[in-house]
Amino acid sequence: EAQVTQNPRYLITVTGKKLTVTCSQNMNHEYMSWYRQDPGLGLRQIYYSMNVEVTDKGDVPEGYKVSRKEKRNFPLILESPSPNQTSLYFCASSLRRYLYEQYFGPGTRLTVT
Amino acid sequence: GIQVEQSPPDLILQEGANSTLRCNFSDSVNNLQWFHQNPWGQLINLFYIPSGTKQNGRLSATTVATERYSLLYISSSQTTDSGVYFCAVERGETSGSRLTFGEGTQLTVNP
Repeated sequence: EAQVTQNPRYLITVTGKKLTVTCSQNMNHEYMSWYRQDPGLGLRQIYYSMNVEVTDKGDVPEGYKVSRKEKRNFPLILESPSPNQTSLYFCASSLRRYLYEQYFGPGTRLTVT
Repeated sequence: GIQVEQSPPDLILQEGANSTLRCNFSDSVNNLQWFHQNPWGQLINLFYIPSGTKQNGRLSATTVATERYSLLYISSSQTTDSGVYFCAVERGETSGSRLTFGEGTQLTVNP
């Protein structure tokens, strides 16, 4: 089944404890990205990657890191999480960078206390 | 950047009713998608419809790109249709390749 998977689906952590949210797709997509969703602010893009070893900032990249060492994986790293990073996170992928349907993962609900 | 407005913001229906959700956008787009966010938070792809009309079961969508709007039709609604419906657009290279989402329509279908 073609899909985007994320892990973990739910996470409660404490301020400053490094964490990684994994994202994987099995559709051989070149383009992957991360969004966060917050009440009243909608969905905003954090980072994106056009292909292996190519990443760039989205609208709200502060406090996050990403890497793209393999085509199928695009992990999101929070080096020192803070409470304002409490959010619902989505990974997405599409065949190419522009103008292709984007597919979203199931979401990761993160709480930082 | 491009603005996306969805209406109505909230909609309450009885099971079996039909509804139309609207999405207006402020500039020309080359990609438009409709999503359903279910009560568990998952974003489900409904349609990829930069122009024209598509149908999938009880749902159909129409995008009139020249007039900058899209419509999502839900017929014979069911309680499982409840959730938030989002329209998202992309302009292409000038947009930095991100989907811009509307604020959504919160749909509640009562039994």
